[in-house]
Amino acid sequence: GENVEQHPSTLSVQEGDSAVIKCTYSDSASNYFPWYKQELGKGPQLIIDIRSNVGEKKDQRIAVTLNKTAKHFSLHITETQPEDSAVYFCAALGGWDSNYQLIWGAGTKLIIKP
Amino acid sequence: EAQVTQNPRYLITVTGKKLTVTCSQNMNHEYMSWYRQDPGLGLRQIYYSMNVEVTDKGDVPEGYKVSRKEKRNFPLILESPSPNQTSLYFCASTSMGGLAKNIQYFGAGTRLSVL
Repeated sequence: GENVEQHPSTLSVQEGDSAVIKCTYSDSASNYFPWYKQELGKGPQLIIDIRSNVGEKKDQRIAVTLNKTAKHFSLHITETQPEDSAVYFCAALGGWDSNYQLIWGAGTKLIIKP
Repeated sequence: EAQVTQNPRYLITVTGKKLTVTCSQNMNHEYMSWYRQDPGLGLRQIYYSMNVEVTDKGDVPEGYKVSRKEKRNFPLILESPSPNQTSLYFCASTSMGGLAKNIQYFGAGTRLSVL
């Protein structure tokens, strides 16, 4: 079945700098890749997603890139702000052998230093 | 307002005392699931349901039960809780079609401590 690895587990960046979180997946049949943000004391919330028919998607300061050949996708946050501090999860929608379930990465704790 | 509601938010209990965590969604979603979140392990799926009366095991189902008698509700039942079930639990619901297909909406979480 699908396996998703996420790196790094913790990322500390200076406010205003960029942050990049990377995920790799194993199932070439996967075609949907969302990113979720979990703020302290809350449930995860979708911030951006990408489907396999595109290579990049942007939404203001957030972008996701997908390389289907290499089976990896990345979250890019530019001009980071204190409110970007959170745990970020990537996921991939598995194929039939994963019962078409979302398979999650282990999460990245992003710390924005003032 | 579209939401997934979990209750209780916090629960401290003792080993072996049956408990139920409720989950309700108001978005008419077909798909609902339960996760547990532990440090360093991310989100691990316990059970999921693709529609009323249809449930299936996730990655870590041992020690848990679920039921889906109505579309909006998906309770998580711990018949005999043990300390290794101390965790943060999340319920989520998803639309199976339309523009919001595959987007999971999460509840605020239930922090459970089993002594």
